[in-house]
Amino acid sequence: EPEVTQTPSHQVTQMGQEVILRCVPISNHLYFYWYRQILGQKVEFLVSFYNNEISEKSEIFDDQFSVERPDGSNFTLKIRSTKLEDSAMYFCASKTGRVTNEKLFFGSGTQLSVL
Amino acid sequence: DAKTTQPTSMDCAEGRAANLPCNHSTISGNEYVYWYRQIHSQGPQYIIHGLKNNETNEMASLIITEDRKSSTLILPHATLRDTAVYYCIVRRGWFGNEKLTFGTGTRLTIIP
Repeated sequence: EPEVTQTPSHQVTQMGQEVILRCVPISNHLYFYWYRQILGQKVEFLVSFYNNEISEKSEIFDDQFSVERPDGSNFTLKIRSTKLEDSAMYFCASKTGRVTNEKLFFGSGTQLSVL
Repeated sequence: DAKTTQPTSMDCAEGRAANLPCNHSTISGNEYVYWYRQIHSQGPQYIIHGLKNNETNEMASLIITEDRKSSTLILPHATLRDTAVYYCIVRRGWFGNEKLTFGTGTRLTIIP
């Protein structure tokens, strides 16, 4: 089965630093998402992205966050100035969007630790 | 989207059928029942979904009661690799950029 690929698997950064989390969605997919999961908590929606623009974002996705699809294959999440509370597992997801009720494919995540 | 209620945790012996219940008493006619699971620290994985008929695929079966107020996910021969958190999500048929919203799910532990 095709896979969503995320890199790096672990990222450690100092508070206030910028980080970029990278994702390669499945090649024919058109809808892209970022979710995050703080340790021991629910999987939370951050943002959805289609046709090179944000479709929806949650309250968590404030001005410190941005997403980009810089080329035809990568989808990135940037956190401009990380805070301790940004420490979480970040999941990228994608789907084609061509079929109703199709499944959402998730990557294996990037564990972000902010020190 | 309708609210769901799932047990916090369940155990099941390896090789037996694991039956995971989900209550969704406020489900409306155009809402589907979706199941995803999350194996430790990995991304959620789609299992199955249904509207009112029972569904089966290579991973599991989904039994939805006639009044659609509850459903059961069945893993017919549970293995240790089925240990995971299982999420029951009820929402209207989704397409386009709509998001999925995850609750707290059921932590299923398969016991050797």
